Amino acid sequence: NAGVTQTPKFRILKIGQSMTLQCTQDMNHNYMYWYRQDPGMGLKLIYYSVGAGITDKGEVPNGYNVSRSTTEDFPLRLELAAPSQTSVYFCASRTDSNQPQHFGDGTRLSIL
Amino acid sequence: KQEVTQIPAALSVPEGENLVLNCSFTDSAIYNLQWFRQDPGKGLTSLLLIQSSQREQTSGRLNASLDKSSGRSTLYIAASQPGDSATYLCAVRNTGANNLFFGTGTRLTVIP
Repeated sequence: NAGVTQTPKFRILKIGQSMTLQCTQDMNHNYMYWYRQDPGMGLKLIYYSVGAGITDKGEVPNGYNVSRSTTEDFPLRLELAAPSQTSVYFCASRTDSNQPQHFGDGTRLSIL
Repeated sequence: KQEVTQIPAALSVPEGENLVLNCSFTDSAIYNLQWFRQDPGKGLTSLLLIQSSQREQTSGRLNASLDKSSGRSTLYIAASQPGDSATYLCAVRNTGANNLFFGTGTRLTVIP
């Protein structure tokens, strides 16, 4: 049981490039989340999904897109990378309402 | 909008000491509150989850309390150990919401 797996762990992008951050979970969780964590700041929600085929915006969705074609996978796409998107990105999942969120180890993204 | 605050931002204690970490939130209409631990370069690990109807939760040397009416939660760590050194994050889920609002964390150092 691997839990929540994020790839890659590290990435450096040039301004204007695009990339997809991968997230997969093997716990059959319906709820999945993408957060970003900036130095000295709390985690901010980017997008979330309550099940396959359903996604919704969080606090800071601009510049990102998501899809949820399967229960297991919830990729996050950056279309035109900007320096302001330099951050650590965390994916999380949970089962039902009363259960805690489980987090991946994060993707450290730098945009230069 | 829910605002979550954690004070102090950093705390150093000698090994063996009991300590309390504080979390406050502005909107008392919460569904649950979670305490997480984050080690450097790692994801978040859920420590305790308190439902809005509960006053406290315990796990080993950890005890979390919740006073919803005053918008406060505390995490009590008994007999601290160097292995407890980490950043502790508090997160609140509002009633009717699916996402968490995070504090900025308290960085704990336990000195041997």
